[in-house]
Amino acid sequence: NAGVMQNPRHLVRRRGQEARLRCSPMKGHSHVYWYRQLPEEGLKFMVYLQKENIIDESGMPKERFSAEFPKEGPSILRIQQVVRGDSAAYFCASSPTFKSYNEQFFGPGTRLTVL
Amino acid sequence: SQQGEEDPQALSIQEGENATMNCSYKTSINNLQWYRQNSGRGLVHLILIRSNEREKHSGRLRVTLDTSKKSSSLLITASRAADTASYFCATAMDSNYQLIWGAGTKLIIKP
Repeated sequence: NAGVMQNPRHLVRRRGQEARLRCSPMKGHSHVYWYRQLPEEGLKFMVYLQKENIIDESGMPKERFSAEFPKEGPSILRIQQVVRGDSAAYFCASSPTFKSYNEQFFGPGTRLTVL
Repeated sequence: SQQGEEDPQALSIQEGENATMNCSYKTSINNLQWYRQNSGRGLVHLILIRSNEREKHSGRLRVTLDTSKKSSSLLITASRAADTASYFCATAMDSNYQLIWGAGTKLIIKP
């Protein structure tokens, strides 16, 4: 059973470009979470999605950021018109249910560098 | 704001010694989890301890939870160079799916 997969592992973008980060949850998991980690900091919750639904995006910046989890295919975190402050590691996690006692399984992360 | 705060921020010990890291949090929780992150890498889940548990073991790891003090500790016994990493605690609250993270403890094991 493959773990959570994220790609690309490293992404370099120039200011103003778009960044697309992909996350494939573990088999059988229909709940996906995105977190952002700035250098030397802990993770910050961004968004929680189920298939075709955004459940909670309270941690996501109001502008330029969007997320989706379509019926088929991976979850996508999209950052438009990237700025230097978007440089961070973006982690995706998945779980079989939303219940808090379920462990969230993390992917290896995508490290975004904005030049 | 951060729910968890790890203490100390950084810890450097000799190989073979025990390492203890602490985590404090602010609100009621369903469970508390410890993760390890090697430099520039992903997160490895170490232990989950529920709010009705006081202590849990996994190999050389021992986690305690004191809900009255809203604190947890992670003890790594007989440390090895490979234990060098950052260690994070993350809390999950009742009926809440967000994991709320501390800033981590950077552990360095000197050979």
